[in-house]
Amino acid sequence: DAKTTQPPSMDCAEGRAANLPCNHSTISGNEYVYWYRQIHSQGPQYIIHGLKNNETNEMASLIITEDRKSSTLILPHATLRDTAVYYCIAGGSGAGSYQLTFGKGTKLSVIP
Amino acid sequence: DAGITQSPRHKVTETGTPVTLRCHQTENHRYMYWYRQDPGHGLRLIHYSYGVKDTDKGEVSDGYSVSRSKTEDFLLTLESATSSQTSVYFCAISAWTSAKETQYFGPGTRLLVL
Repeated sequence: DAKTTQPPSMDCAEGRAANLPCNHSTISGNEYVYWYRQIHSQGPQYIIHGLKNNETNEMASLIITEDRKSSTLILPHATLRDTAVYYCIAGGSGAGSYQLTFGKGTKLSVIP
Repeated sequence: DAGITQSPRHKVTETGTPVTLRCHQTENHRYMYWYRQDPGHGLRLIHYSYGVKDTDKGEVSDGYSVSRSKTEDFLLTLESATSSQTSVYFCAISAWTSAKETQYFGPGTRLLVL
């Protein structure tokens, strides 16, 4: 998996958009960008992933730069329940046996 | 949650004791994984399985063995537990989401080796 770099922590006001950046400058052409989050000590929760195009689902949007060296996860209206550690992972090729390499992530604190 | 359960959820054991953790899934997924999570290390892959009786080592496999005799169960065994194996253990499966493959995690097992 390619190495990713994320800020260790961020704050966001409740109701505002949370924009979490990630750098993955060594990502290879067939590697996806994945985002997971982990709330307190629960199991990591899948959020979204993409290859080249921007993606949106019911939880978040993923914006990937054209050169694919960085991406941004957007939570459009952050709530207190979105307080968690967010992990950006570059890897996997859809072969089924890929290994996800989790770094230290970004601790997002949503503030009332 | 992709139908993943782990048992036990909490366990305290003594050094040198064998321990087996169970991961059970109800949706017939082919790929299953065991990770451990420790402060300062994130999640690290221990072993994974790509089918019944088909397993392979991950990044931190020393001191662990696995077995998969049925599609729905993936067992992680610590033959002789050590204090360094105190950790939170997560099981995961691979599933297809919107024509893409990703991993979904179980709730975790907290293991304390005294």
